[in-house]
Amino acid sequence: NAGVMQNPRHLVRRRGQEARLRCSPMKGHSHVYWYRQLPEEGLKFMVYLQKENIIDESGMPKERFSAEFPKEGPSILRIQQVVRGDSAAYFCASSLPGQAGVRDEKLFFGSGTQLSVL
Amino acid sequence: EDKVVQSPLSLVVHEGDTVTLNCSYEVTNFRSLLWYKQEKKAPTFLFMLTSSGIEKKSGRLSSILDKKELFSILNITATQTGDSAVYLCAVGVETSGSRLTFGEGTQLTVNP
Repeated sequence: NAGVMQNPRHLVRRRGQEARLRCSPMKGHSHVYWYRQLPEEGLKFMVYLQKENIIDESGMPKERFSAEFPKEGPSILRIQQVVRGDSAAYFCASSLPGQAGVRDEKLFFGSGTQLSVL
Repeated sequence: EDKVVQSPLSLVVHEGDTVTLNCSYEVTNFRSLLWYKQEKKAPTFLFMLTSSGIEKKSGRLSSILDKKELFSILNITATQTGDSAVYLCAVGVETSGSRLTFGEGTQLTVNP
């Protein structure tokens, strides 16, 4: 059973370009989360999605950042017009939907995408 | 704002030593506390704690939660060089989905 797959592992962009980060959740997982990790800092929540729905985007910057999780295919985190401050490791995690109305908080993380903005 | 604080931020020990990592939290509507180990890549799940006083154990690692004092500890006995990693503490709250608030982590280095 493959784990959470993220690609690319490393992404280099120049200021002003667009970055697209992809995440395929574990098989059977329908909940996807994106976290950002700046150097020497902990993981910061960005967005939580289910298939075709954004459930919680309270951690997303208001501009330039967007996320989707289509019915088919991976989840995409898109950063438009990147700036140097966007340089970070972006982690995707997935979880099971939970049973009997109880959410499953055990997240399984991918290996991350290291975004470097020149 | 939810807050998770880990201490120490870094720790250097010798193989065979026992270490205790600390995690304190201030959150609204606490639901669970989780520990993850992060080596160079993906954080990997260690424990999830929801009830006070019940120790979770896996090999040389163990963890316990105190919901009254709002903290948790992670113990590692007989440390090995392979235990070197960043240990992350995270708290889940009663909101939509499984959003976790992470601490900054403790960088553990185990020297031979």
